[in-house]
Amino acid sequence: DAEITQSPRHKITETGRQVTLACHQTWNHNNMFWYRQDLGHGLRLIHYSYGVQDTNKGEVSDGYSVSRSNTEDLPLTLESAASSQTSVYFCASSRDRELSEAFFGQGTRLTVV
Amino acid sequence: DQQVKQNSPSLSVQEGRISILNCDYTNSMFDYFLWYKKYPAEGPTFLISISSIKDKNEDGRFTVFLNKSAKHLSLHIVPSQPGDSAVYFCAASHYGQNFVFGPGTRLSVLP
Repeated sequence: DAEITQSPRHKITETGRQVTLACHQTWNHNNMFWYRQDLGHGLRLIHYSYGVQDTNKGEVSDGYSVSRSNTEDLPLTLESAASSQTSVYFCASSRDRELSEAFFGQGTRLTVV
Repeated sequence: DQQVKQNSPSLSVQEGRISILNCDYTNSMFDYFLWYKKYPAEGPTFLISISSIKDKNEDGRFTVFLNKSAKHLSLHIVPSQPGDSAVYFCAASHYGQNFVFGPGTRLSVLP
């Protein structure tokens, strides 16, 4: 069965460290997204990609970067982790056509201490 | 400015009764709307969607209504079951590209 997986599921890191969260999907979807979930804000878009070598900034992209070297993976990097980036991070993917829902991974809980 | 709003952070309903979750949006370019359900420690799962050419879409116990002139949509769950207790997110997109989510409504279905 096709799926989308995130790793790690939980991560504790120190302020200032670089952290990379992995996202891998086997649906061969061109569209991939990273969201963070915080109380009162719902899911906010960090970065997204519509295909290999394509990346775009979302609503809350400061301090984050992504790269898309193949269809399956969209790793999210926190260049220098800050306490404000403590959150639950969700990766999602969708087909590259209209009226298509996004499928989500199980999430990564990141704590920056 | 939130483009997608869910003004009720929480809702409690008795088992067997109807649950109505509301969502408002501000961007008139949105043409596709979705509802997601999220349990603790899991990713959101797709529930039901509606395109802007329709005003109603039904799937079993779940019905979504869209009022484009009011920029308002609602999710009806009938009858509500304890397993429906979760956080419900409304989302909107333009041409199925970026998905903009609301802050969510926590539904509690009481036995």
